[in-house]
Amino acid sequence: AQKVTQAQTEISVVEKEDVTLDCVYETRDTTYYLFWYKQPPSGELVFLIRRNSFDEQNEISGRYSWNFQKSTSSFNFTITASQVVDSAVYFCALSPPPNFGNEKLTFGTGTRLTIIP
Amino acid sequence: GAVVSQHPSRVICKSGTSVKIECRSLDFQATTMFWYRQFPKKSLMLMATSNEGSKATYEQGVEKDKFLINHASLTLSTLTVTSAHPEDSSFYICSARDLLAGRGTQYFGPGTRLLVL
Repeated sequence: AQKVTQAQTEISVVEKEDVTLDCVYETRDTTYYLFWYKQPPSGELVFLIRRNSFDEQNEISGRYSWNFQKSTSSFNFTITASQVVDSAVYFCALSPPPNFGNEKLTFGTGTRLTIIP
Repeated sequence: GAVVSQHPSRVICKSGTSVKIECRSLDFQATTMFWYRQFPKKSLMLMATSNEGSKATYEQGVEKDKFLINHASLTLSTLTVTSAHPEDSSFYICSARDLLAGRGTQYFGPGTRLLVL
């Protein structure tokens, strides 16, 4: 069975501070995908990143960076120089490798991030 | 690319009526779409997997006669909440997987807020 744990339920930081959102996962698959999605107050889920399990390179995209460590089954997400627009609920998710296209996503419970102006 | 739309975005209905929600992939074809339900401040709960041209696969505990799913084409899936009751009030989100590009990634629609009076 697959499981995703986001232990931080809510985080508040002052604008311009850096913040890291934790994600720990469990799976028996040797190959899998990890995702981060952002859900702003409007409700839609915005895709941020997909990471293959065989690619442990960290990734940076602007103020966002992701640290994937297979040894600790973690896929943490860092926002540097946070902005008010970053306020949202962030979900980490896990799926088996693509096969027939019907692979399910297992979501964590989400971390509500509030950036204080 | 990879845009998913949902209609309506918000609906209020009387108890006992049926409500249809449409999910469309606008710029790609999706043989598989997914329907989720989200309660306030909770994570997403997968309801069913919608496969084009075949019956949907429902998750345990989801009543297939209450939540009718039709995936009539490669760009359209519909969810009909039949004989809606107040406990069906929720945020319903669909997602679609682009098989040609970003094959392992689900792209989400903006969601539909259903309120049953």
